[in-house]
Amino acid sequence: DTEVTQTPKHLVMGMTNKKSLKCEQHMGHRAMYWYKQKAKKPPELMFVYSYEKLSINESVPSRFSPECPNSSLLNLHLHALQPEDSALYLCASSQGSGLRQPQHFGDGTRLSIL
Amino acid sequence: QQPVQSPQAVILREGEDAVINCSSSKALYSVHWYRQKHGEAPVFLMILLKGGEQKGHEKISASFNEKKQQSSLYLTASQLSYSGTYFCGTEPRNYGQNFVFGPGTRLSVLP
Repeated sequence: DTEVTQTPKHLVMGMTNKKSLKCEQHMGHRAMYWYKQKAKKPPELMFVYSYEKLSINESVPSRFSPECPNSSLLNLHLHALQPEDSALYLCASSQGSGLRQPQHFGDGTRLSIL
Repeated sequence: QQPVQSPQAVILREGEDAVINCSSSKALYSVHWYRQKHGEAPVFLMILLKGGEQKGHEKISASFNEKKQQSSLYLTASQLSYSGTYFCGTEPRNYGQNFVFGPGTRLSVLP
Protein backbone atom coordinates (compact mmCIF):
# COMPACT_ATOMS: atom_id res chain seq x y z
CA ASP A 1 0.00 0.00 0.00
CA THR A 2 1.21 3.50 -0.82
CA GLU A 3 0.23 6.82 0.71
CA VAL A 4 -0.26 8.33 -2.72
CA THR A 5 -3.50 7.08 -4.24
CA GLN A 6 -4.09 7.06 -7.98
CA THR A 7 -7.34 6.33 -9.79
CA PRO A 8 -8.22 4.59 -11.94
CA LYS A 9 -5.68 1.78 -11.89
CA HIS A 10 -6.38 0.94 -15.52
CA LEU A 11 -7.86 3.03 -18.31
CA VAL A 12 -8.62 2.17 -21.92
CA MET A 13 -9.70 5.03 -24.14
CA GLY A 14 -10.10 5.90 -27.77
CA MET A 15 -8.18 8.67 -29.45
CA THR A 16 -11.18 10.98 -29.42
CA ASN A 17 -12.13 10.48 -25.77
CA LYS A 18 -11.62 12.86 -22.88
CA LYS A 19 -10.67 11.36 -19.54
CA SER A 20 -8.89 12.36 -16.35
CA LEU A 21 -6.38 10.69 -14.07
CA LYS A 22 -6.56 11.51 -10.38
CA CYS A 23 -3.95 11.52 -7.64
CA GLU A 24 -4.41 12.19 -3.94
CA GLN A 25 -2.05 12.41 -0.98
CA HIS A 26 -2.69 13.26 2.66
CA MET A 27 0.89 13.54 3.90
CA GLY A 28 0.90 17.33 3.85
CA HIS A 29 3.31 17.37 0.93
CA ARG A 30 3.46 20.61 -1.05
CA ALA A 31 5.02 19.33 -4.28
CA MET A 32 3.31 16.90 -6.65
CA TYR A 33 4.55 15.33 -9.85
CA TRP A 34 3.34 13.50 -12.95
CA TYR A 35 5.60 10.98 -14.66
CA LYS A 36 5.16 8.82 -17.74
CA GLN A 37 6.79 5.39 -17.79
CA LYS A 38 7.04 3.07 -20.78
CA ALA A 39 7.87 -0.61 -20.33
CA LYS A 40 11.48 -1.29 -19.33
CA LYS A 41 12.22 2.47 -19.25
CA PRO A 42 12.70 4.94 -16.40
CA PRO A 43 9.93 7.32 -15.37
CA GLU A 44 10.00 10.55 -17.40
CA LEU A 45 9.10 13.77 -15.61
CA MET A 46 6.12 15.55 -17.16
CA PHE A 47 4.91 18.19 -14.70
CA VAL A 48 5.73 19.50 -11.23
CA TYR A 49 3.39 21.50 -9.02
CA SER A 50 4.84 23.36 -6.10
CA TYR A 51 2.44 24.95 -3.60
CA GLU A 52 -0.35 24.36 -6.14
CA LYS A 53 1.42 26.29 -8.90
CA LEU A 54 2.85 24.68 -12.01
CA SER A 55 6.60 25.02 -11.68
CA ILE A 56 7.88 22.57 -14.29
CA ASN A 57 6.42 21.57 -17.65
CA GLU A 58 8.80 19.30 -19.54
CA SER A 59 7.56 20.33 -23.01
CA VAL A 60 4.62 17.97 -22.73
CA PRO A 61 2.09 18.04 -25.64
CA SER A 62 -1.02 20.10 -24.95
CA ARG A 63 -3.21 16.98 -25.15
CA PHE A 64 -2.04 16.46 -21.54
CA SER A 65 -3.39 19.13 -19.20
CA PRO A 66 -2.49 19.08 -15.50
CA GLU A 67 -4.53 20.62 -12.73
CA CYS A 68 -3.89 21.02 -9.02
CA PRO A 69 -7.21 21.97 -7.32
CA ASN A 70 -5.64 21.94 -3.85
CA SER A 71 -2.54 20.79 -2.05
CA SER A 72 -3.79 17.21 -1.76
CA LEU A 73 -5.09 16.63 -5.26
CA LEU A 74 -3.52 16.43 -8.68
CA ASN A 75 -5.35 15.69 -11.92
CA LEU A 76 -4.15 14.96 -15.42
CA HIS A 77 -6.74 15.69 -18.10
CA LEU A 78 -6.37 13.72 -21.31
CA HIS A 79 -7.77 14.63 -24.72
CA ALA A 80 -7.12 13.37 -28.23
CA LEU A 81 -4.31 11.08 -27.19
CA GLN A 82 -2.20 9.05 -29.58
CA PRO A 83 -1.36 5.33 -29.41
CA GLU A 84 2.21 6.21 -28.36
CA ASP A 85 0.77 7.79 -25.20
CA SER A 86 -0.04 4.32 -23.89
CA ALA A 87 2.07 3.96 -20.74
CA LEU A 88 2.04 3.82 -16.96
CA TYR A 89 1.35 7.27 -15.51
CA LEU A 90 2.82 7.77 -12.08
CA CYS A 91 2.01 10.46 -9.57
CA ALA A 92 4.44 11.38 -6.80
CA SER A 93 4.60 13.86 -3.95
CA SER A 94 7.29 15.34 -1.74
CA GLN A 95 7.69 17.79 1.10
CA GLY A 96 8.67 21.33 0.30
CA SER A 97 9.04 22.94 -3.05
CA GLY A 98 12.37 21.65 -4.27
CA LEU A 99 13.55 18.53 -5.99
CA ARG A 100 15.86 17.75 -3.09
CA GLN A 101 13.24 15.84 -1.19
CA PRO A 102 12.34 12.14 -1.36
CA GLN A 103 9.49 11.47 -3.74
CA HIS A 104 6.65 9.14 -2.72
CA PHE A 105 5.06 7.41 -5.70
CA GLY A 106 1.57 6.11 -6.25
CA ASP A 107 0.97 2.73 -7.92
CA GLY A 108 0.15 4.41 -11.21
CA THR A 109 -2.57 4.33 -13.84
CA ARG A 110 -1.94 1.99 -16.75
CA LEU A 111 -3.30 3.78 -19.81
CA SER A 112 -4.03 2.13 -23.14
CA ILE A 113 -4.99 4.16 -26.19
CA LEU A 114 -6.93 2.31 -28.89
CA GLN B 1 21.15 15.11 -19.77
CA GLN B 2 20.14 11.64 -18.65
CA PRO B 3 22.70 10.13 -16.28
CA VAL B 4 24.48 6.94 -17.21
CA GLN B 5 24.11 3.86 -15.05
CA SER B 6 26.30 0.77 -14.94
CA PRO B 7 25.97 -2.11 -15.09
CA GLN B 8 22.75 -2.47 -17.07
CA ALA B 9 21.97 -5.72 -15.28
CA VAL B 10 23.50 -7.87 -12.59
CA ILE B 11 22.70 -11.31 -11.21
CA LEU B 12 23.72 -12.19 -7.67
CA ARG B 13 23.44 -15.07 -5.30
CA GLU B 14 21.88 -14.32 -1.94
CA GLY B 15 24.54 -12.91 0.39
CA GLU B 16 26.73 -11.44 -2.34
CA ASP B 17 27.54 -7.75 -2.72
CA ALA B 18 26.87 -5.39 -5.61
CA VAL B 19 27.74 -1.86 -6.66
CA ILE B 20 25.65 0.22 -9.04
CA ASN B 21 27.16 3.36 -10.52
CA CYS B 22 25.56 6.56 -11.76
CA SER B 23 27.38 9.34 -13.54
CA SER B 24 26.33 12.63 -15.07
CA SER B 25 27.95 15.05 -17.48
CA LYS B 26 26.35 17.92 -15.53
CA ALA B 27 27.22 19.45 -12.17
CA LEU B 28 24.67 18.16 -9.69
CA TYR B 29 22.73 19.43 -6.70
CA SER B 30 21.47 16.04 -5.67
CA VAL B 31 21.36 12.38 -6.51
CA HIS B 32 18.38 10.18 -5.63
CA TRP B 33 18.19 6.38 -5.59
CA TYR B 34 14.95 4.43 -6.09
CA ARG B 35 14.09 0.76 -6.46
CA GLN B 36 11.17 -0.44 -8.55
CA LYS B 37 9.90 -4.00 -8.47
CA HIS B 38 8.00 -5.37 -11.43
CA GLY B 39 4.46 -4.01 -11.52
CA GLU B 40 5.01 -1.76 -8.53
CA ALA B 41 5.73 1.90 -7.85
CA PRO B 42 9.29 3.16 -7.43
CA VAL B 43 10.33 3.27 -3.79
CA PHE B 44 12.69 5.89 -2.40
CA LEU B 45 15.97 4.55 -1.00
CA MET B 46 18.08 7.62 -0.30
CA ILE B 47 19.10 11.06 -1.46
CA LEU B 48 22.58 12.59 -1.42
CA LEU B 49 22.92 16.35 -1.31
CA LYS B 50 26.56 17.16 -0.69
CA GLY B 51 29.76 16.22 -2.40
CA GLY B 52 31.44 13.29 -0.74
CA GLU B 53 28.36 12.50 1.26
CA GLN B 54 27.72 8.91 2.09
CA LYS B 55 24.42 7.73 3.43
CA GLY B 56 23.05 4.36 4.27
CA HIS B 57 20.49 2.35 6.04
CA GLU B 58 20.72 -1.34 6.90
CA LYS B 59 22.79 -2.99 4.20
CA ILE B 60 22.27 -0.42 1.46
CA SER B 61 24.47 2.65 1.33
CA ALA B 62 25.49 5.23 -1.25
CA SER B 63 28.22 7.76 -1.92
CA PHE B 64 28.29 10.94 -3.96
CA ASN B 65 31.45 12.42 -5.48
CA GLU B 66 30.41 15.94 -6.36
CA LYS B 67 33.60 16.74 -8.27
CA LYS B 68 33.17 13.77 -10.59
CA GLN B 69 29.35 14.01 -10.71
CA GLN B 70 29.22 10.36 -9.76
CA SER B 71 27.26 8.33 -7.25
CA SER B 72 27.47 4.69 -6.30
CA LEU B 73 24.93 2.48 -4.55
CA TYR B 74 26.32 -0.34 -2.43
CA LEU B 75 24.26 -3.40 -1.61
CA THR B 76 25.93 -5.73 0.87
CA ALA B 77 24.91 -9.26 1.79
CA SER B 78 22.08 -9.08 -0.75
CA GLN B 79 18.69 -10.53 0.06
CA LEU B 80 16.04 -11.90 -2.29
CA SER B 81 13.98 -8.78 -1.57
CA TYR B 82 16.67 -6.60 -3.17
CA SER B 83 15.66 -7.80 -6.63
CA GLY B 84 14.28 -5.06 -8.84
CA THR B 85 15.35 -2.20 -11.05
CA TYR B 86 17.44 0.51 -9.43
CA PHE B 87 17.20 4.03 -10.79
CA CYS B 88 19.37 6.97 -9.95
CA GLY B 89 17.80 10.38 -10.41
CA THR B 90 19.84 13.54 -10.79
CA GLU B 91 19.09 17.20 -10.27
CA PRO B 92 21.52 19.35 -12.29
CA ARG B 93 22.83 22.65 -10.93
CA ASN B 94 22.23 24.47 -14.20
CA TYR B 95 19.11 26.58 -14.35
CA GLY B 96 16.47 25.20 -16.66
CA GLN B 97 17.56 21.58 -16.39
CA ASN B 98 15.31 19.37 -14.37
CA PHE B 99 15.26 16.12 -12.47
CA VAL B 100 15.87 13.08 -14.66
CA PHE B 101 16.15 9.36 -13.98
CA GLY B 102 18.91 7.17 -15.34
CA PRO B 103 18.04 4.16 -17.52
CA GLY B 104 18.08 1.77 -14.58
CA THR B 105 20.04 -1.27 -13.44
CA ARG B 106 18.17 -4.55 -13.24
CA LEU B 107 19.26 -6.56 -10.20
CA SER B 108 18.29 -10.19 -9.74
CA VAL B 109 19.12 -11.98 -6.50
CA LEU B 110 18.91 -15.76 -6.70
CA PRO B 111 18.67 -18.19 -3.78
